[in-house]
Amino acid sequence: GAVVSQHPSRVICKSGTSVKIECRSLDFQATTMFWYRQFPKKSLMLMATSNEGSKATYEQGVEKDKFLINHASLTLSTLTVTSAHPEDSSFYICSARGTDRDTEAFFGQGTRLTVV
Amino acid sequence: GQNIDQPTEMTATEGAIVQINCTYQTSGFNGLFWYQQHAGEAPTFLSYNVLDGLEEKGRFSSFLSRSKGYSYLLLKELQMKDSASYLCAPMDSNYQLIWGAGTKLIIKP
Repeated sequence: GAVVSQHPSRVICKSGTSVKIECRSLDFQATTMFWYRQFPKKSLMLMATSNEGSKATYEQGVEKDKFLINHASLTLSTLTVTSAHPEDSSFYICSARGTDRDTEAFFGQGTRLTVV
Repeated sequence: GQNIDQPTEMTATEGAIVQINCTYQTSGFNGLFWYQQHAGEAPTFLSYNVLDGLEEKGRFSSFLSRSKGYSYLLLKELQMKDSASYLCAPMDSNYQLIWGAGTKLIIKP
C-alpha cells in the first residue's frame, strides 16, 4: 500500500508553546488529508479535512485558530498546535487519500503529544 | 444520526476463527472499510466492501449487507499478533469515514 509518513512520532512540549506535526505522502499525491485525534480506548475523532491548496474544513468544536492546518502541496500537510495546554495531550493521526474518494485512506504513524 | 455498533471486546484462542460484527447507520453510503489498530499505533487498512457479499483476503474476510446495514470481519487461523482493535468504518455520502470505538480482540494461547 501507499506510504504516509508522520513526524515526529513523539513530542513533549511545555505549556504555552507551539508544536508542528508533519504528514507526508511519500509515493502518491494526496488530494485530501485528514487530521484526527484519539484519546485512549476511544474512537478516532476527525478534527479537520484539508484539500490541497484550499483552507481546511474543521469539524464542529475544533478551534481553527488553535489547530492550524496547512496543505500547501499534494504531498505535505502540517498541523500546528498553538499555545498548547495539558488538555491538548493526545494521539494525533493524519491520513491521506488520492484523487479517488472511495479508496482507502492511508494513515501516518501518529504523533503522541504530551504537554507538560 | 450516524453511528457504528461493534462489540467492545472479544476473546479468542490462537488458531481459532473469530467473527467481529458491525452494524451501522449513515447518511448515504459509499462503502465500508475495516482497519486494524494495535495499541499506540495508527490504523492500518484491512479491507473495503462496497457491494454485498464476501471479500476474501488471506486469513481475513469481510462481508457486507447494505440492506441490513451490517458487516463482519472474519479472522481465521488466529495468531497472537492479531491481538488489536478492529475498526469498522463506513463511508457516508460525503465520502467521510465514520468511526466507532472499535472492537478490542484478545488472543489467548
